[in-house]
Amino acid sequence: NAGVTQTPKFQVLKTGQSMTLQCAQDMNHEYMSWYRQDPGMGLRLIHYSVGAGITDQGEVPNGYNVSRSTTEDFPLRLLSAAPSQTSVYFCAVGKGGNQPQHFGDGTRLSIL
Amino acid sequence: QQPVQSPQAVILREGEDAVINCSSSKALYSVHWYRQKHGEAPVFLMILLKGGEQKGHEKISASFNEKKQQSSLYLTASQLSYSGTYFCGTVPPGGYQKVTFGTGTKLQVIP
Repeated sequence: NAGVTQTPKFQVLKTGQSMTLQCAQDMNHEYMSWYRQDPGMGLRLIHYSVGAGITDQGEVPNGYNVSRSTTEDFPLRLLSAAPSQTSVYFCAVGKGGNQPQHFGDGTRLSIL
Repeated sequence: QQPVQSPQAVILREGEDAVINCSSSKALYSVHWYRQKHGEAPVFLMILLKGGEQKGHEKISASFNEKKQQSSLYLTASQLSYSGTYFCGTVPPGGYQKVTFGTGTKLQVIP
């Protein structure tokens, strides 16, 4: 039982490249969300989903796309990476926003 | 808008107590509390769902004042294992439950 799995764990990109950060869960929870964590900024919500086919923006959605075609997966896409997107990205999963959120181990992304 | 946490950082000696505050400019339905160790993912501590509710987890407890849109986390008789960064997460009434986290409070417990 893996819980919440994020891949890759580390990634280095060049400015302008695109990539997808993967988040998969085996907890059968409806609520999934993506956060970025930067020093002194805490955890900032990028996008979230309350179920398959339903997504919404968080506080800092610009430069990121998401889709939710299945309950299990919630990928985060960077279409054209910028140095400002260098960060640690966490995926969180829960039964709902008013339930405990279970975090993946994070993806450490550097953009040169 | 992110909730505001205070203090930003605190150093305690083992056995001392601390209070971490979380304040929102918006109405709240619930407040989450998490702890994150360096290099690790945040770990859930507790959720407070009702105004005035208090909960406890080991020697860590919390209160939620719905009217003041504030929550406080109380750490009593601190242990070395309590070191880490504490985050509150707030959920507004209505809408669909998106969790907005504060900027964190870094707690260091020393012998």
